[in-house]
Amino acid sequence: GNSVTQMEGPVTLSEEAFLTINCTYTATGYPSLFWYVQYPGEGLQLLLKATKADDKGSNKGFEATYRKETTSFHLEKGSVQVSDSAVYFCALPNAGGTSYGKLTFGQGTILTVHP
Amino acid sequence: SAVISQKPSRDICQRGTSLTIQCQVDSQVTMMFWYRQQPGQSLTLIATANQGSEATYESGFVIDKFPISRPNLTFSTLTVSNMSPEDSSIYLCSVVGAFTANNEQFFGPGTRLTVL
Repeated sequence: GNSVTQMEGPVTLSEEAFLTINCTYTATGYPSLFWYVQYPGEGLQLLLKATKADDKGSNKGFEATYRKETTSFHLEKGSVQVSDSAVYFCALPNAGGTSYGKLTFGQGTILTVHP
Repeated sequence: SAVISQKPSRDICQRGTSLTIQCQVDSQVTMMFWYRQQPGQSLTLIATANQGSEATYESGFVIDKFPISRPNLTFSTLTVSNMSPEDSSIYLCSVVGAFTANNEQFFGPGTRLTVL
């Protein structure tokens, strides 16, 4: 089935630093890819998504490009803020059949941004 | 999008007791899921809540331990039965509906359970 591997954290950065969180996937076909964010004490929120190869998802200054050549969907932000401190999850849908609608999540990366 | 609420938001329970978690959506949804997030871990799918029929459980999860109901298209409950400290986790519901696309899911705020 489909799977996703996310860089192991945690990641600690100073404010205004550049952020990259790596995500690679194994999938049948070309499924949509997602980044979810979990702020402290909250549930998951969809941060961005890409639905086909070479698509770039973006939101709140974060970007990720769907690269089928390298089966990657790395999350980037040019200048992080303290308010970006959260756990970030890469995710993709399971393969079809009885797995319809289900998502597979990466391990999660804890990001801490210091002033 | 949809507004998803969960009750309770957190609870501290004694070993051997049971807790029922509610998930309410403000619009009809196609699919509802229940996830467990153990401390410092990623999300693990417990089951798909099926409207009007028995839930579909993932490997490692059984109905006796995690009974689920979904009486209509906007509401579901998850019960954690005969709890032990290992059940201490965040429990999240998620939904798929007409407002979602490309297999994305919307999540509730979660229920933080501590078992003593």
